[in-house]
Amino acid sequence: EDQVTQSPEALRLQEGESSSLNCSYTVSGLRGLFWYRQDPGKGPEFLFTLYSAGEEKEKERLKATLTKKESFLHITAPKPEDSATYLCAVRTSGSARQLTFGSGTQLTVLP
Amino acid sequence: DTEVTQTPKHLVMGMTNKKSLKCEQHMGHRAMYWYKQKAKKPPELMFVYSYEKLSINESVPSRFSPECPNSSLLNLHLHALQPEDSALYLCASSQGSVGTSGNTIYFGEGSWLTVV
Repeated sequence: EDQVTQSPEALRLQEGESSSLNCSYTVSGLRGLFWYRQDPGKGPEFLFTLYSAGEEKEKERLKATLTKKESFLHITAPKPEDSATYLCAVRTSGSARQLTFGSGTQLTVLP
Repeated sequence: DTEVTQTPKHLVMGMTNKKSLKCEQHMGHRAMYWYKQKAKKPPELMFVYSYEKLSINESVPSRFSPECPNSSLLNLHLHALQPEDSALYLCASSQGSVGTSGNTIYFGEGSWLTVV
């Protein structure tokens, strides 16, 4: 059974304090790992798709990386507006039709 | 530009009411989805349409009835709901057929449903 685990569950940072969120996965045949940002009461906003180990993608203060067992979302010099829940999800060869989500990391950036 | 539009944003309905949630996308995507999300939980898949045909029904109770009138529109008809059905209902879409692995799924802002 495909499993996706995100850690930590919650993270509080001071503005400018860089850190990383982790998404570890146990799947058969990864066909894509997705990062989303979700603000309270709103739908998930797409951030990145990663397909193969070694791949990296960047957007503003965010950088996503992928290994064969996990993905990291690095946040450099975060600002209060980066506060949100960050969701990781995978698509696999066994469940190509749907996403398997992790439980999310709730990030709070204090001014 | 990725945009999935959902209406209404908020809906309060009684247990005997019939209402509908609507979703629209103009990105030419051929797969459309309904997800349900409870507080502090990840989204849970309900239905998937691929090329306007129902492809996946995740054992959803019949009080939820999906409809795909055309490739841009997706509806979710609601009837005789229970208070535990109160949640954020998310519509989403992706390019190509639903079985194309790796396709990114784009979500709408969601419809907040409260059943009283």
